[in-house]
Amino acid sequence: DSGVTQTPKHLITATGQRVTLRCSPRSGDLSVYWYQQSLDQGLQFLIQYYNGEERAKGNILERFSAQQFPDLHSELNLSSLELGDSALYFCASSVDSSPLYFGPGTRLTVT
Amino acid sequence: AQSVTQLGSHVSVSEGALVLLRCNYSSSVPPYLFWYVQYPNQGLQLLLKYTTGATLVKGINGFEAEFKKSETSFHLTKPSAHMSDAAEYFCALEGSSNTGKLIFGQGTTLQVKP
Repeated sequence: DSGVTQTPKHLITATGQRVTLRCSPRSGDLSVYWYQQSLDQGLQFLIQYYNGEERAKGNILERFSAQQFPDLHSELNLSSLELGDSALYFCASSVDSSPLYFGPGTRLTVT
Repeated sequence: AQSVTQLGSHVSVSEGALVLLRCNYSSSVPPYLFWYVQYPNQGLQLLLKYTTGATLVKGINGFEAEFKKSETSFHLTKPSAHMSDAAEYFCALEGSSNTGKLIFGQGTTLQVKP
C-alpha cells in the first residue's frame, strides 16, 4: 500500500459525458501527479500540482483539467469523453519530486 | 529529447533462473532512473532508483540494477526468479531538472514458469 488513494476504482460512462477522478496523496506529500496508462500510448504524464499550484504539464488534452485543493487532494476532470479516453488513470504523489508513489488507479471505460 | 527503451516486451524465465530486464535511455542531462513493478490490477510500486553516486543500486524483493553511463543502460536483474515476480516492469527516466515528471518505457511483462 503506497498510501495514495484514488476513487472510484472503476468508472463506466458514455461518450460525451464528464467525469471526475479523485486522488488523496500520501500524508505529507505536497506534489500530485496524474498519469494515463493505455494500451497504445503506454504510461503518459498528464499534469503535476505542487501545494495547490500547477507545476508541469504533459500530454494533457484541453478537454481534461485538474486542480489541487488546500487539503492537498486532487481531482482530474475529463469532459466530452471519447472512446479513446478509456484508460487507467493513475495519481502519484511525492514530497517534492521523485520518487513518485502511485495509487491503485481508476479504470475508466467510455462506451 | 529524452526517451526510454525497454528491450523485449515479454520475457519468460524458469523459477530459480536469472532475471534480466533491459532498459536503455537517452538523455542530454544526467538522468535519474527508476524501475517500477505493476502487478495485475494494481498500481505501480517503486522497486529501486538511481540518482547519483553508487552505480549498483539495490531494491526491494532482491532486485538490483546497474547504471552504465557509457552504455546508456539501466538493466534490472535478480539472481533467482520466484513465481511471485511475474508482473509488468517499467523503466522510467527523470531529467535532472528534478521535476518528478517521469518518462516511462513501454514495459516488459515477466513470465515465470514453474
